[in-house]
Formats: sequence, C-alpha cells, structure tokens
Amino acid sequence: GAVVSQHPSRVICKSGTSVKIECRSLDFQATTMFWYRQFPKKSLMLMATSNEGSKATYEQGVEKDKFLINHASLTLSTLTVTSAHPEDSSFYICSAVDSHGSYEQYFGPGTRLTVT
Amino acid sequence: TQLLEQSPQFLSIQEGENLTVYCNSSSVFSSLQWYRQEPGEGPVLLVTVVTGGEVKKLKRLTFQFGDARKDSSLHITAAQPGDTGLYLCAGGLPGTYKYIFGTGTRLKVLA
Repeated sequence: GAVVSQHPSRVICKSGTSVKIECRSLDFQATTMFWYRQFPKKSLMLMATSNEGSKATYEQGVEKDKFLINHASLTLSTLTVTSAHPEDSSFYICSAVDSHGSYEQYFGPGTRLTVT
Repeated sequence: TQLLEQSPQFLSIQEGENLTVYCNSSSVFSSLQWYRQEPGEGPVLLVTVVTGGEVKKLKRLTFQFGDARKDSSLHITAAQPGDTGLYLCAGGLPGTYKYIFGTGTRLKVLA
C-alpha cells in the first residue's frame, strides 16, 4: 500500500525556537496533504490543507504565522512551528491524498513535539 | 462547523463480547471512514463507505453508513484483546478531499 513518512518522529526543542516537520509521500504523488494535531487521548484536529504550488488553507482558529506550511513538490509538505511554546507540544500527523491514482488519504506515523 | 460525535467515549469489555460504536452528525458526508489508532502511531484505515445504507464487513467488523449519509456504526463481534485501541470515524466533506474526525472511542478488550 501507499506509504507516507514523517521526519522526525520525535523532537524536543526549547521555547522560542522553530521546528520543521516533514511529510513525504514515498510511492505516489500528492497534490493535497493535510496536517492534523492530536492532544493526548483526544481525536485528530484538522489544522490546514497543504496545496502543492500554492498557499495552504488553514482551519478556523489556526494561526497561519505560527504554523507555516510549504508544499513545494508533489511528494513533500513541511510544517514549521515558529517560536514554539510549551502549549505547542502535541502529536502532529500528516496525511497525503493519492491525487494521481486512488484518491485515498494515507496517514503518516506522526511526530511527537515536546517544547521545554 | 461540522461535528462528528462518537459514542461511547470509552468502552471496556471482556474478550468474546460484542460491541457497537456509533458516529453521529447533523451534516451530510460524501463518504465515511473508520480508523484504528495505536498509541504513538498514525491512524490506520479500516474501511471507507460511500453509499447511503451501505454495509461492509471485514472479518469480525461490520460497518454501516446511514441512509442519509449523516451517521455510521461499527460493530465488532467476539472482541479480542488485539482489538484494543482508539477507533475514529471521519466524514468526508462534499466537494473536497477533507475529512473531519469524530471525537473517538477508546476500546479496551480484557483477556
């Protein structure tokens, strides 16, 4: 089946620094990718839609200047958490839509961010 | 704002018992997916249902999409400890690739 990878799987950073998380579709092209956030023991909350070659669209309440998304190729989207604070600590999960094949959504394994 | 409510939130049962998880909304969805998630991992797709009234079976799991495409259920027969996990439904927003996730049901099956 289709594979989506995320890097890093875990990251610890200090308050005030920025962290970049990568989401790659390994064996298919993805015009559209999604970024989700998940708090402990909670469901996934959609943060934004990442569109290849154009600006991301953010869900209501998600700060676009805080969570920078870049989708420069058909296989890579990045989420940068800028000026991270402890409340940004969370599990971040991406998904990619196989836009040239099945149109199914495939999830990455997630990235655990801890801000100290 | 679309909202997908799952019930129950938590369920702890003995091995061999049957259970049903519900996913309800006032919104109409283009499709409905069910996922299972283990701690520290991404969700794994179990099934996608597309047609109102559709029923799909996957071994001991039976999924149903409501006639009006607003709700869904997941029924597990003879639950096993390996079924333990977080079950999530996700509704597809018409005309988009977006899915909105339900509130989640945490299942624990005791041996």
